[in-house]
Amino acid sequence: QQPVQSPQAVILREGEDAVINCSSSKALYSVHWYRQKHGEAPVFLMILLKGGEQKGHEKISASFNEKKQQSSLYLTASQLSYSGTYFCGTDHGLYNYGQNFVFGPGTRLSVLP
Amino acid sequence: DTEVTQTPKHLVMGMTNKKSLKCEQHMGHRAMYWYKQKAKKPPELMFVYSYEKLSINESVPSRFSPECPNSSLLNLHLHALQPEDSALYLCASSRQQGGTEAFFGQGTRLTVV
Repeated sequence: QQPVQSPQAVILREGEDAVINCSSSKALYSVHWYRQKHGEAPVFLMILLKGGEQKGHEKISASFNEKKQQSSLYLTASQLSYSGTYFCGTDHGLYNYGQNFVFGPGTRLSVLP
Repeated sequence: DTEVTQTPKHLVMGMTNKKSLKCEQHMGHRAMYWYKQKAKKPPELMFVYSYEKLSINESVPSRFSPECPNSSLLNLHLHALQPEDSALYLCASSRQQGGTEAFFGQGTRLTVV
């Protein structure tokens, strides 16, 4: 079952912050975040595993609330290079990964100078 | 070397043709994946190989036939495709199946005429 992402699209000025949300109606084992630029392959950003941990990667961080079956991606002081489509991918079990693994519809982020 | 290499980059084939897509990685990853991506849509998982054995087949039509000859190579054999199969086909690999970062290749842009 495909997770829901919001917003569908967002336009920022360089230096502004953004939050992208991902939610599922089923219990989650892990949430994966990827960014895909136009005409390129998806690039891994981070994985959050069951346990409610928060991860960071320079100015990009994410949280995972397993009770609410939600994850949020935080982009701080956005740069032009952050433009692209952000996908969350949800996985419902360690040993049957892929059985129900599915990407969300994506959030299109545009950072303007 | 963190690269997943896919060949060819572009492929045009007729509905009666047989062709193959190739994917290679030398990161020692034991899980490899095929995804299909239509324009402005998220990647859709097709097949998962784990330790060279087919682990997941997401109800893909038999005109798509995957093959994993060894731990570094993944092929996708195509036969009697339909125009609606035109898409970007992405290969990915990860250290193991489940809960780990996936590296994507640049994809093969397939057009069925």
